[in-house]
Amino acid sequence: QKEVEQNSGPLSVPEGAIASLNCTYSDRGSQSFFWYRQYSGKSPELIMSIYSNGDKEDGRFTAQLNKASQYVSLLIRDSQPSDSATYLCAVNAGGYNKLIFGAGTRLAVHP
Amino acid sequence: GAVVSQHPSWVICKSGTSVKIECRSLDFQATTMFWYRQFPKQSLMLMATSNEGSKATYEQGVEKDKFLINHASLTLSTLTVTSAHPEDSSFYICSAPGLAGVTDTQYFGPGTRLTVL
Repeated sequence: QKEVEQNSGPLSVPEGAIASLNCTYSDRGSQSFFWYRQYSGKSPELIMSIYSNGDKEDGRFTAQLNKASQYVSLLIRDSQPSDSATYLCAVNAGGYNKLIFGAGTRLAVHP
Repeated sequence: GAVVSQHPSWVICKSGTSVKIECRSLDFQATTMFWYRQFPKQSLMLMATSNEGSKATYEQGVEKDKFLINHASLTLSTLTVTSAHPEDSSFYICSAPGLAGVTDTQYFGPGTRLTVL
């Protein structure tokens, strides 16, 4: 059974701080990794995708991938209250775009 | 970016009735679409892969006779929940992959909230 594990949180950070979200996965064959943000009652929206070891930055977001450790993370710099949401880690589980999602981490950014 | 729509956005039905949910790719063709279900405070669980022109592939534990999937065209997949019961009440979300060779990003529809009374 292929699994994606996340700390469910909630993770509470003050406005302007760095939020760090972590994810581990079980399938060593996974090649594509995604972070989605989901607001309550809404469907997920893509924040970042990462395919190679190392860091990938996009604005305030940085994704980090370590395939040897089967670990992927998301850093959110200068956190804003509007970043408060559930962040879902997703891993390509083989086959065309078949994704396995983690349970999600709830992030709360307080003013 | 690519747009995926769903209809209806919410539906309330009586126990024992059937409900059809549509998923459309608006500005691109999708030979494959995915159907997910999400219960409150839980993550998305893949139910099935919808394949244009062929049978859907269901995940382990998902009843194919209860959740009927039809992918009749390159832009439309439908999920029919047959003989719905209160335990089927959930948030149903479809997705479609991005353009092949460009990105393997999945684009999600806005979701359909089903409440079975």
